[in-house]
Amino acid sequence: GEDVEQSLFLSVREGDSSVINCTYTDSSSTYLYWYKQEPGAGLQLLTYIFSNMDMKQDQRLTVLLNKKDKHLSLRIADTQTGDSAIYFCAEIMNTGFQKLVFGTGTRLLVSP
Amino acid sequence: EAQVTQNPRYLITVTGKKLTVTCSQNMNHEYMSWYRQDPGLGLRQIYYSMNVEVTDKGDVPEGYKVSRKEKRNFPLILESPSPNQTSLYFCASSPRTGWANQPQHFGDGTRLSIL
Repeated sequence: GEDVEQSLFLSVREGDSSVINCTYTDSSSTYLYWYKQEPGAGLQLLTYIFSNMDMKQDQRLTVLLNKKDKHLSLRIADTQTGDSAIYFCAEIMNTGFQKLVFGTGTRLLVSP
Repeated sequence: EAQVTQNPRYLITVTGKKLTVTCSQNMNHEYMSWYRQDPGLGLRQIYYSMNVEVTDKGDVPEGYKVSRKEKRNFPLILESPSPNQTSLYFCASSPRTGWANQPQHFGDGTRLSIL
């Protein structure tokens, strides 16, 4: 199937690290993405990782990819209240054209 | 400013009354897509378009129509809306190639309530 799964909710305190997890299904996915959705807004791309990489760091964001387990994670260091949002992982399904399949989304709540 | 514009942002209407949600992008993108977002289900693709006059069904096309007569516009049409189409809808666009660093740009969403 095409299920991309995430836990629904994560709560952390300001200044802590947040880790959002995702399991995907297509082992041939070439790119995996993390999107952020703030209240009342559309999705914006946070970061992405190519499938031949294990890790990618971008300022406070660290993406880890475990291809064997089809597991993707997003770590946010020094989480701020402005990081409160819904985070979606997404994978490219190679179905003749590049179809983007989204996970169910994880709502991150950062408390002061 | 590069953007994807959806209208309306909010709409409450009744079962069976035809409605259209417009989507326009100013980036000359070839690829456009409609999604619906429902709690616990993430985003599911309704229809997509690879270019002008080229459209195809996504994962949940039932009850929806689209058209792509011009490159910039991709309206979503609900001919006879039903309550199960109450949802948050997003339009997105992207260039034809280069998925990784040319991702889909999303509109701000349209919240539809069908009574």
